[in-house]
Amino acid sequence: DQQVKQNSPSLSVQEGRISILNCDYTNSMFDYFLWYKKYPAEGPTFLISISSIKDKNEDGRFTVFLNKSAKHLSLHIVPSQPGDSAVYFCAGRGSARQLTFGSGTQLTVLP
Amino acid sequence: DTEVTQTPKHLVMGMTNKKSLKCEQHMGHRAMYWYKQKAKKPPELMFVYSYEKLSINESVPSRFSPECPNSSLLNLHLHALQPEDSALYLCASSQLEAWTMGTEAFFGQGTRLTVV
Repeated sequence: DQQVKQNSPSLSVQEGRISILNCDYTNSMFDYFLWYKKYPAEGPTFLISISSIKDKNEDGRFTVFLNKSAKHLSLHIVPSQPGDSAVYFCAGRGSARQLTFGSGTQLTVLP
Repeated sequence: DTEVTQTPKHLVMGMTNKKSLKCEQHMGHRAMYWYKQKAKKPPELMFVYSYEKLSINESVPSRFSPECPNSSLLNLHLHALQPEDSALYLCASSQLEAWTMGTEAFFGQGTRLTVV
């Protein structure tokens, strides 16, 4: 039973345009949702989070939207840069602050 | 200092060997975690330590034995592993107190384990 799903394994975007990464979840007990970026052979790096009681959080080029009724969240990156190319994981946070990750989306930003 | 340090970075071990993975953080975080990541898969939770006590074991086989000697250190002892245990093992830490503003877990670079 996948509690967090990322249905797009890959996404290609032109530099300067908007990247939109999507995530769905089934577990209503998550108190926060987090986005991590990961390069091969490295640990995940935190990007941005959103509380389950909010619907939007913005940090620079990154904005996360949460639609609680649809159990859906999305990460918007604007403008996209080639250095943003990486695997992006969505995660839900449990009561011990442990994370349940989605399967990831490989973002490629084309120059 | 927002680092989680894992050693070694790479480890090759035989199926009869005993080895240990080490993780260290000095951020004062009272929750520490072991995750396992196979190629092209997401990290999967193995163990959670809260205030140096094991609080979650995600039905991990006993050939993996975690240990938390103090609030800064987390070990994962390995014995009689199988080739399918080859993976990237990630350590993470986070704050636990409800009043803290930080929400994220910080991850180490991981140990790339190969069982031969």
